[in-house]
Amino acid sequence: DTGVSQNPRHKITKRGQNVTFRCDPISEHNRLYWYRQTLGQGPEFLTYFQNEAQLEKSRLLSDRFSAERPKGSFSTLEIQRTEQGDSAMYLCASSLVGTGDEQYFGPGTRLTVT
Amino acid sequence: SQQGEEDPQALSIQEGENATMNCSYKTSINNLQWYRQNSGRGLVHLILIRSNEREKHSGRLRVTLDTSKKSSSLLITASRAADTASYFCATDDTDKLIFGTGTRLQVFP
Repeated sequence: DTGVSQNPRHKITKRGQNVTFRCDPISEHNRLYWYRQTLGQGPEFLTYFQNEAQLEKSRLLSDRFSAERPKGSFSTLEIQRTEQGDSAMYLCASSLVGTGDEQYFGPGTRLTVT
Repeated sequence: SQQGEEDPQALSIQEGENATMNCSYKTSINNLQWYRQNSGRGLVHLILIRSNEREKHSGRLRVTLDTSKKSSSLLITASRAADTASYFCATDDTDKLIFGTGTRLQVFP
């Protein structure tokens, strides 16, 4: 069990550019979540998958955001035409259905949009 | 959107003292969880208490839940400098977690 990993850990991009983040969950976990956290706030839910199916998306997830989990393993979160307001920590978490409600979080990807 | 608030927003104590932080939430829950976050890092799960439980212990942690008041408290006993972190409560909402605003705990050696 190597835990949840996220890449890259830091990303600096210019406004208007597209960025993509990757999350590798704990291998046997079938649920994968994306959260966003801004400075001084708690994480806010963005979306989650069970296996490859995206089951829920927050209204925070504008049309510029898209998430995929094509084979039910790793997931990618893409932000198109980044804006300064997208600057935040993007956290990924995974869990295994039926083993309780605990979610295991990765270290996060810190995005800075200049 | 945030589910609720943690209180206090910040807490500074000396090593060996106890730290108590409170969480209030808005809607009915199945369970409430507490997570710790060290500066700029991911969250670590500490403890989960279900809606039919009133108190739970794990090592130096004690969590209480009062569903009639929609509130929970986390007590860390005999604090250590390594407990310095932000602490968040989170409630379940159809499989996703709704986090509070967090308490920043500073433990001085």
